Amino acid sequence: QSVLTQPPSASGTPGQRVTISCSGSSSNIGSNYVYWYQQLPGTAPELLIYRSNQRPSGVPDRFSGSKSGTSASLAISGLRSDDEAHYYCAAWDDSLSAVVFGGGTKLTVL
Amino acid sequence: EVQLVESGGGLIQPGGSLRLSCAASGFTVSINYMSWVRQAPGKGLEWVSALYSGGTTYYADSVKGRFTISRDDPKNTLYLQMNSLRVEDTAVYYCARDSGRAPHYWGQGTLVTVSS
Repeated sequence: QSVLTQPPSASGTPGQRVTISCSGSSSNIGSNYVYWYQQLPGTAPELLIYRSNQRPSGVPDRFSGSKSGTSASLAISGLRSDDEAHYYCAAWDDSLSAVVFGGGTKLTVL
Repeated sequence: EVQLVESGGGLIQPGGSLRLSCAASGFTVSINYMSWVRQAPGKGLEWVSALYSGGTTYYADSVKGRFTISRDDPKNTLYLQMNSLRVEDTAVYYCARDSGRAPHYWGQGTLVTVSS
């Protein structure tokens, strides 16, 4: 049981916009930044979003992050077949003194 | 360019010990926040431990008292000493350099298999 809650799966067709949610609590998302990672099959995770809504250099602006209260979301616009991957959210948890991850969302491009 | 290369994984019996290394290049380990994150086969990501630049360490409850994070500044290398290993510690272990308080740059990972 992960501290942050994500839907196990999401899907969309090429060109579509999809969103992935991440729900937490006041001790994690409610008081700290949210991070999003993309993990392609057989590879290490890569940072997509940091500080809740900032993109590292090299990440396309099709990816965007937002946060409101104790929830966050990742939006992917102009969906492409190579966006098919697992996506994870993460945040520091003040009560646990630990980084907590969501269980991950498998995105399928139909 | 930031690079992280993990090593030291392998097959170990339950109750055994293993030390993972993470050789860093392109930045200085001692002035950054560093983490270890693991991923059991077919499962999601699990944060394991962090070492901050000032020397403060943090551990997941699942490894507290068994694992120790440390660094060698002249070698620019991060370590994870794992003792009293359990079958449930089987995972790919990733080393990461943090941005803020979460991983940013990741290594390619090293597989640890705990089995008799």
